[in-house]
Amino acid sequence: EVFLVESGGGLVQPGGSLRLSCAASGFTVSTHYMSWVRQAPGKGLEWVSILYSGGSPYYADSVKGRFTISRDNSKNTLYLQMNGLRVEDTAVYYCAKTDYNNYYFEDWGQGTLVTVSS
Amino acid sequence: SLVLAQPPSVSVAPGMTASITCGKNNIGIRGVHWYQQKPGQAPVLLIYDDADRPSGIPDRFAGSTSGNTATLTISRVEAGDEADYYCQVWDSRYAGVFGGGTKLAVL
Repeated sequence: EVFLVESGGGLVQPGGSLRLSCAASGFTVSTHYMSWVRQAPGKGLEWVSILYSGGSPYYADSVKGRFTISRDNSKNTLYLQMNGLRVEDTAVYYCAKTDYNNYYFEDWGQGTLVTVSS
Repeated sequence: SLVLAQPPSVSVAPGMTASITCGKNNIGIRGVHWYQQKPGQAPVLLIYDDADRPSGIPDRFAGSTSGNTATLTISRVEAGDEADYYCQVWDSRYAGVFGGGTKLAVL
């Protein structure tokens, strides 16, 4: 069974940084596509980034140049390094195992809350 | 830009059928996928590739497409189906795109 557990969220000031982690079990992160999806309070879902199994990343325009997706194969863990945080980045961040054919999000973690505020 | 238009809310009586639409303003993209999100919980994949159901999803949930509109149909609606429903596609230019979500109210 697939399990995804996010951590690393918290309160940070505008311009600050945070690194989110997503520990996976039940499958191997390095052989699957993995994504981050976020949800601002009371709002809808927004795709943030994907890491292909080959290691190439892709980002939404809203976070390009500020966020970096990566993984540690030895820890079977996905990361999202977030720099230059803005108030509008406040959201629950979910990691999701992503289908490699049609890019749907087949398994989700429980999410971690990031609050950007002064 | 790529827009997936969903009605903000749909209301249905228990035992009846609910239909939630997802309008694409661009054709030629991959399949449409649907998620259910209950308050305080992570989304759950309901339908993938327009009409396929993951294991464990009841057959009361069905997906279909016609032209530029995808539809999620929930038959024999139960109180426990009250949730937000999102459609999603993957586009070669815009990548992951979600609809704005539809709140299903069971009267």
